[in-house]
Amino acid sequence: AQRVTQPEKLLSVFKGAPVELKCNYSYSGSPELFWYVQYSRQRLQLLLRHISRESIKGFTADLNKGETSFHLKKPFAQEEDSAMYYCALRGGAQKLVFGQGTRLTINP
Amino acid sequence: DGGITQSPKYLFRKEGQNVTLSCEQNLNHDAMYWYRQDPGQGLRLIYYSQIVNDFQKGDIAEGYSVSREKKESFPLTVTSAQKNPTAFYLCASSLGQGNHNEQFFGPGTRLTVL
Repeated sequence: AQRVTQPEKLLSVFKGAPVELKCNYSYSGSPELFWYVQYSRQRLQLLLRHISRESIKGFTADLNKGETSFHLKKPFAQEEDSAMYYCALRGGAQKLVFGQGTRLTINP
Repeated sequence: DGGITQSPKYLFRKEGQNVTLSCEQNLNHDAMYWYRQDPGQGLRLIYYSQIVNDFQKGDIAEGYSVSREKKESFPLTVTSAQKNPTAFYLCASSLGQGNHNEQFFGPGTRLTVL
């Protein structure tokens, strides 16, 4: 079975502090992992995917197959990073399995 | 901000009534999806369609129905059999076949059952 777990419903950090949003997955094959973000009053949109191995808005995420994790990290949080973040997995068909989401709040 | 649109933005329904949510896309995408978003539960897949005239049940299809008569349109009907229909509904589309295809989301419809 495919499953994505985001253990933190809420995460609050101060501006300039490092941020790490945790994501663990369960899948027997070779997964494709994504992070989606939903800013206030905006649509859900793709932030980054593990295959591209790029940094978007200062965020990075490394797929760790040994720990079945895909944590999202940013070294210095900014106020505009406040949003709802979803980790998602695609394990075969085109459909995605989403985690429960983490609401990130950056305090000034 | 076009591409994929959903209507209406807000929808109110009396218990026992069926209601249809609209989803249209002009991205020429083959695949379309319906999700339900509830607080603390993330997005859960209701139905998806990889090609016109074909669709598959997702994880929580009971009480819902869909059709895919046109490539651009994937309406979702919430029937009276859905026990807890009050939620935020999101439609998405993607290129479909092949790997690494990003899903693009609509603005959503908030359904409230009175």
